[in-house]
Amino acid sequence: ETGVTQSPTHLIKTRGQQVTLRCSSQSGHNTVSWYQQALGQGPQFIFQYYREEENGRGNFPPRFSGLQFPNYSSELNVNALELDDSALYLCASSLGGRGSYEQYFGPGTRLTVT
Amino acid sequence: GDSVTQMEGPVTLSEEAFLTINCTYTATGYPSLFWYVQYPGEGLQLLLKATKADDKGSNKGFEATYRKETTSFHLEKGSVQVSDSAVYFCALTRFAGGTSYGKLTFGQGTILTVHP
Repeated sequence: ETGVTQSPTHLIKTRGQQVTLRCSSQSGHNTVSWYQQALGQGPQFIFQYYREEENGRGNFPPRFSGLQFPNYSSELNVNALELDDSALYLCASSLGGRGSYEQYFGPGTRLTVT
Repeated sequence: GDSVTQMEGPVTLSEEAFLTINCTYTATGYPSLFWYVQYPGEGLQLLLKATKADDKGSNKGFEATYRKETTSFHLEKGSVQVSDSAVYFCALTRFAGGTSYGKLTFGQGTILTVHP
């Protein structure tokens, strides 16, 4: 069984640029959630995708957007990067459905905005 | 909205000491509760969980009991090891309706350092 994978591992961008982060969910999982973890803080929910549809969104501006593909992998896109976007971005997958409350996390992508 | 509050850290212990990390929550309905652990430079690993009142989650010597009357889910371990040094996060989720659980709400994390 393959776990959750994310790419790239690290990324450095300049303020104003755009970035795309990628996530492959665990085998058999159809739900992907994205979280932002600033240094020294707990992860904050960005949004969730269930069977290719957005299924909830946290308090993040529209320049944070996402996609889920038919194979349930997912992308997080951030436009017009700001310095405060520097963080560890975590992807988590879950089975979906009423009994699937467990989310399994990938290793994260460390984004630095200069 | 939902929230999770953890005891402030960092926590520094000697090997074989007893560990308690306090966690309290605010949520409507009946949330499921979790402890996640994050080792340096890594993502989050699920440590243990409890889905209803009075459930006890346990794993690798760690335990936590879901106390609805005090809205708490304190993490305990009887004898910590150097390898337990990490950041510990308490979290909750609630069924969001439809066909899927929604977001995890996390506490701010507690840094644990265990010395030999």
